[in-house]
Amino acid sequence: LAKTTQPISMDSYEGQEVNITCSHNNIATNDYITWYQQFPSQGPRFIIQGYKTKVTNEVASLFIPADRKSSTLSLPRVSLSDTAVYYCLVGFPNDYKLSFGAGTTVTVRA
Amino acid sequence: KAGVTQTPRYLIKTRGQQVTLSCSPISGHRSVSWYQQTPGQGLQFLFEYFSETQRNKGNFPGRFSGRQFSNSRSEMNVSTLELGDSALYLCASSLGSTGTTNTEAFFGQGTRLTVV
Repeated sequence: LAKTTQPISMDSYEGQEVNITCSHNNIATNDYITWYQQFPSQGPRFIIQGYKTKVTNEVASLFIPADRKSSTLSLPRVSLSDTAVYYCLVGFPNDYKLSFGAGTTVTVRA
Repeated sequence: KAGVTQTPRYLIKTRGQQVTLSCSPISGHRSVSWYQQTPGQGLQFLFEYFSETQRNKGNFPGRFSGRQFSNSRSEMNVSTLELGDSALYLCASSLGSTGTTNTEAFFGQGTRLTVV
């Protein structure tokens, strides 16, 4: 499984865009990039997954450069309820869930 | 449809005892994974079961074991409990196992185990 590095924490304010970058230098050809969100005392929740370029859904966008050695999760116009831990996972589909890492704690302030 | 159900939600046990936790996956899902989450170690993978077979195992001692039944429900057992086993135990279900393209894992709310 590819090792990932992401910031430990990030602070933001309501209405701002939050971008979390994850480094994965040894990503393999078949690996996908997946992001999960976790609120306190709850299980993680799938946010988005991508292989290359850009993926967008109703809650987030995922930007992946051509070399795929990093990726950026973008949360548009965050609210207080977006305060959570965000995990970046890299691996072949379904293999990724073997290693969650420490995640990035995002705190949104009013 | 119903989500992943874990029982019990909270549990207090004494050192040396054993405990069994239960996980009912989403209907139709055949893969169940178990995780341990503690403030110091984060979210750590325990094992994964698919069609009653253990497919992957994390780096945990043999005191941690699991099984999956024909209806995909899974149980996790921890024997000879230690204080350090106090954690939130999460299970997740998905359609496919590792190496397949059915990727999204749905997590339950977890069982909070306290060992005293």
